[in-house]
Amino acid sequence: GAGVSQSPSNKVTEKGKDVELRCDPISGHTALYWYRQRLGQGLEFLIYFQGNSAPDKSGLPSDRFSAERTGESVSTLTIQRTQQEDSAVYLCASSSGTLGNEQFFGPGTRLTVL
Amino acid sequence: TQLLEQSPQFLSIQEGENLTVYCNSSSVFSSLQWYRQEPGEGPVLLVTVVTGGEVKKLKRLTFQFGDARKDSSLHITAAQPGDTGLYLCAGERGAGNMLTFGGGTRLMVKP
Repeated sequence: GAGVSQSPSNKVTEKGKDVELRCDPISGHTALYWYRQRLGQGLEFLIYFQGNSAPDKSGLPSDRFSAERTGESVSTLTIQRTQQEDSAVYLCASSSGTLGNEQFFGPGTRLTVL
Repeated sequence: TQLLEQSPQFLSIQEGENLTVYCNSSSVFSSLQWYRQEPGEGPVLLVTVVTGGEVKKLKRLTFQFGDARKDSSLHITAAQPGDTGLYLCAGERGAGNMLTFGGGTRLMVKP
């Protein structure tokens, strides 16, 4: 596809379960970002991948959160032992990594932890 | 404290009014971007400013990058209900470096 895709679009899970969220970036984009957005709030940076460099994990809120990226393609965000405060929309974005690079966002995954 | 501070956080105005949203930082940015996000969707880029003092216009929207490249403003003339949404500024400090987003300004334009 032409844009960033994310799956699933919605995920409802029980407290304590693990979840995996997937992001397919635009082909050729070296940079990939994950953000969390709580209802009515701005974007909260989680993690940043740029090419083959070590990812910037400075935004991950706890060790229950982790993310991987295979080369310059798919990324998976994993949340272990989910808590109710994890409920939010998780947005993925990719960019070309050049100066003034535009971030292209996916539609997000809405996570609800019961 | 966020690297990029946006103000106001919320703004509710009547159709036809003018407004200005501010994005301020103590850091210098190589570029500054403005995004708009509508409910249920991801943010979409409106404009990128690169040169200090640069002014860009997009129909009724005017974007300005501060001379020192530390701040930016978005001015909307004669706001329309279709302008309703979350406006986000994002700064970049060098090519290939991570974009940093401000906290956003939630705008509601009432008919």
